[in-house]
Amino acid sequence: DADVTQTPRNRITKTGKRIMLECSQTKGHDRMYWYRQDPGLGLRLIYYSFDVKDINKGEISDGYSVSRQAQAKFSLSLESAIPNQTALYFCATSDLVRDTGELFFGEGSRLTVL
Amino acid sequence: GQNIDQPTEMTATEGAIVQINCTYQTSGFNGLFWYQQHAGEAPTFLSYNVLDGLEEKGRFSSFLSRSKGYSYLLLKELQMKDSASYLCAVQDSNYQLIWGAGTKLIIKP
Repeated sequence: DADVTQTPRNRITKTGKRIMLECSQTKGHDRMYWYRQDPGLGLRLIYYSFDVKDINKGEISDGYSVSRQAQAKFSLSLESAIPNQTALYFCATSDLVRDTGELFFGEGSRLTVL
Repeated sequence: GQNIDQPTEMTATEGAIVQINCTYQTSGFNGLFWYQQHAGEAPTFLSYNVLDGLEEKGRFSSFLSRSKGYSYLLLKELQMKDSASYLCAVQDSNYQLIWGAGTKLIIKP
């Protein structure tokens, strides 16, 4: 089983719908992140969390919200999906104690907004 | 603004050597990462450089020059499985990662 698990892996939805992407991890890491990846662009940070009580906006947080339900769970919501939110979304974790900065990614959630 | 530049695509031959360059302009520097990403899969960590010089790890090596804002990833004895995108990322003064768009490496027999 993957250490960082994302659900769903693929989702097609319509404009205006609310969508939640979920991420859970068994690595015991404190830090969790949500990124989106678009063709021809680098990974862009949406939100990140350094512990359950700490939530921070990334460079492209507009139109998104997150919830850190537990150390192991970090979910991303699109309150009212729009077509330009069509992208590949990755959850990632990193280790606060070791603090090497190395990220461990989930397998990705491909979202299509029609 | 912050910027990471790397070539969009490169082609190399199985068994050969290829060098993928990355140049960066960021607000501060706290390390440079290389990740490998196969099509449709998650990125996986390859290397980390924080000091100038060459870090070697098997067939892969990564070089850093902080004064030039430059790094390269060197892949030796190329195998077909090395066909992937290679992502360069720099940690800025706030320890945030700035990502390049990635270099798609195509290996031909």
